[in-house]
Amino acid sequence: GAGVSQSPRYKVAKRGQDVALRCDPISGHVSLFWYQQALGQGPEFLTYFQNEAQLDKSGLPSDRFFAERPEGSVSTLKIQRTQQEDSAVYLCASSPPPQGFTVDTQYFGPGTRLTVL
Amino acid sequence: AQSVAQPEDQVNVAEGNPLTVKCTYSVSGNPYLFWYVQYPNRGLQFLLKYITGDNLVKGSYGFEAEFNKSQTSFHLKKPSALVSDSALYFCAVTGGGFQKLVFGTGTRLLVSP
Repeated sequence: GAGVSQSPRYKVAKRGQDVALRCDPISGHVSLFWYQQALGQGPEFLTYFQNEAQLDKSGLPSDRFFAERPEGSVSTLKIQRTQQEDSAVYLCASSPPPQGFTVDTQYFGPGTRLTVL
Repeated sequence: AQSVAQPEDQVNVAEGNPLTVKCTYSVSGNPYLFWYVQYPNRGLQFLLKYITGDNLVKGSYGFEAEFNKSQTSFHLKKPSALVSDSALYFCAVTGGGFQKLVFGTGTRLLVSP
């Protein structure tokens, strides 16, 4: 079946511009995650949705970062007034709903590579 | 706080030889451990996970990992490496009621012909 898709795959922005990154999760997956992967580093958690509810946004680095998932499916990560330090690959992942206290596998999309000039 | 350490930036192995990629973790409560592989310009691909049960977990493409609670380790292994296994490998952990994954810095595996 179809995996997680992300668009655009590549985005170049001038410093100060706003950008919007889109994530389409696997059909039926209620949990959705955003991660930021800087060059040469492991992914770092940004935020987590269960359906349309944003349950954890502790990883968002500043109030310039905003994520939404209004209908519990597609999600958008928005970055306002982009800075050079925002340059990274932004990864989206989805997973089935957690069963009790266990954790299910997160399946990742190909990522969006953001370059801020 | 949760954390993962991957002590080797790079592992070199000859094709046909066994490989090990090391991972140690720290987490409150029971750990949930994952291995992912990343090929150039692609996202993370799931290999295997430990949730509970047998300490030896088998995953995709012949990979396996051994959970060792006393050593807080979850090393990735494969009996016979292939050149096509060359990629970047990430260990990740969660637990303590959290869903978010905490990743290590990655280990580059280079398998030579």
